[in-house]
Amino acid sequence: AAGVIQSPRHLIKEKRETATLKCYPIPRHDTVYWYQQGPGQDPQFLISFYEKMQSDKGSIPDRFSAQQFSDYHSELNMSSLELGDSALYFCASSFGTSGSPNTDTQYFGPGTRLTVL
Amino acid sequence: QKEVEQNSGPLSVPEGAIASLNCTYSDRGSQSFFWYRQYSGKSPELIMFIYSNGDKEDGRFTAQLNKASQYVSLLIRDSQPSDSATYLCAAGGSWGKLQFGAGTQVVVTP
Repeated sequence: AAGVIQSPRHLIKEKRETATLKCYPIPRHDTVYWYQQGPGQDPQFLISFYEKMQSDKGSIPDRFSAQQFSDYHSELNMSSLELGDSALYFCASSFGTSGSPNTDTQYFGPGTRLTVL
Repeated sequence: QKEVEQNSGPLSVPEGAIASLNCTYSDRGSQSFFWYRQYSGKSPELIMFIYSNGDKEDGRFTAQLNKASQYVSLLIRDSQPSDSATYLCAAGGSWGKLQFGAGTQVVVTP
């Protein structure tokens, strides 16, 4: 079965540079979630989109922005990168946000490992 | 204090034995609960979800939910070395946002 696709898988940037992470959800999934996972930590929710509109926002720095496009793929834009931004960034997708876990179950992509030097 | 609490472990389990993982949550508004398995450096992989009080079985895995006690558990029967991983408990909130626990590391010893 098709899974969530994330690109790039690895990214190395210098401090103060910008980065763009891309996420392609499972076909027919209309909801995308972004999570950040630092070393030895659990995934922290950043932001989510449902039907191309922002649906929820978590601990996302103001330096980060994201959007979901008409084909449901999403991009996470990160500017003025800091050393502390080094982490695994996961995208997850689900079908709808009806509140039913049968449809809202999130499936995670392989992640993008961002290293800021 | 995290909204979802788990023992960090490591939980050492002999091969073939039952691994028992526990999770508590503080938000009574949480309706759905998920168990994910995560190997080091990899993405969380869904094991199962539960949203009704009681037990739910799927193969070697059984999830249990007690909303009155705000308690979720996962049993892994016939543990295999390939089950060695970190198990993340997550509570589903509004608009599907997941609140994760810190994860329990499970080590299955041959």
